[in-house]
Amino acid sequence: DAGVIQSPRHEVTEMGQEVTLRCKPISGHNSLFWYRQTMMRGLELLIYFNNNVPIDDSGMPEDRFSAKMPNASFSTLKIQPSEPRDSAVYFCASSSQTGWSQPQHFGDGTRLSIL
Amino acid sequence: GIQVEQSPPDLILQEGANSTLRCNFSDSVNNLQWFHQNPWGQLINLFYIPSGTKQNGRLSATTVATERYSLLYISSSQTTDSGVYFCAVRPDYKLSFGAGTTVTVRA
Repeated sequence: DAGVIQSPRHEVTEMGQEVTLRCKPISGHNSLFWYRQTMMRGLELLIYFNNNVPIDDSGMPEDRFSAKMPNASFSTLKIQPSEPRDSAVYFCASSSQTGWSQPQHFGDGTRLSIL
Repeated sequence: GIQVEQSPPDLILQEGANSTLRCNFSDSVNNLQWFHQNPWGQLINLFYIPSGTKQNGRLSATTVATERYSLLYISSSQTTDSGVYFCAVRPDYKLSFGAGTTVTVRA
């Protein structure tokens, strides 16, 4: 089975530009998570979807960040306008069922650099 | 929120050596996972181990949930084992990660 698929793998763009990160979860998984990894803060949850509905977006840094999940097989994380401090690795993860005991499976991440 | 502490923060090994990484957590959890982040940045699932012991090749893990700790054992280390090892616990819907142990295996 295919794992979690993220695109692009790398993104370099200039400050002020809109950035869109994409994620395809594992088929059949109904929970999707966006995480961000930085040197200063480590890995932290940005937003959690269950059955395509955002359940917890308290980790989204500010209004410049938005996430959508229009269907069970696709999610986007958008940053507009982007700033240099948004540079980080962004991971998408999915897990099956709504139970909290299931393992989360991570994509390969998107390495984002804002110049 | 739950606290996750990993030790040691850094570990340098000679190829062929054995090592133990530790993860302590401050509250009861539904799930615990160990990950290896390789030099390319990928997070590789090593173990899903909320309790008990599991083995996968040269790696094994033990979680004692009642005492709130987990151990990851690396035996006969190889240079490909280099990277950062993360412990992550799931008290609710999200994973809370430790700061990681950076392992360097020298040939």
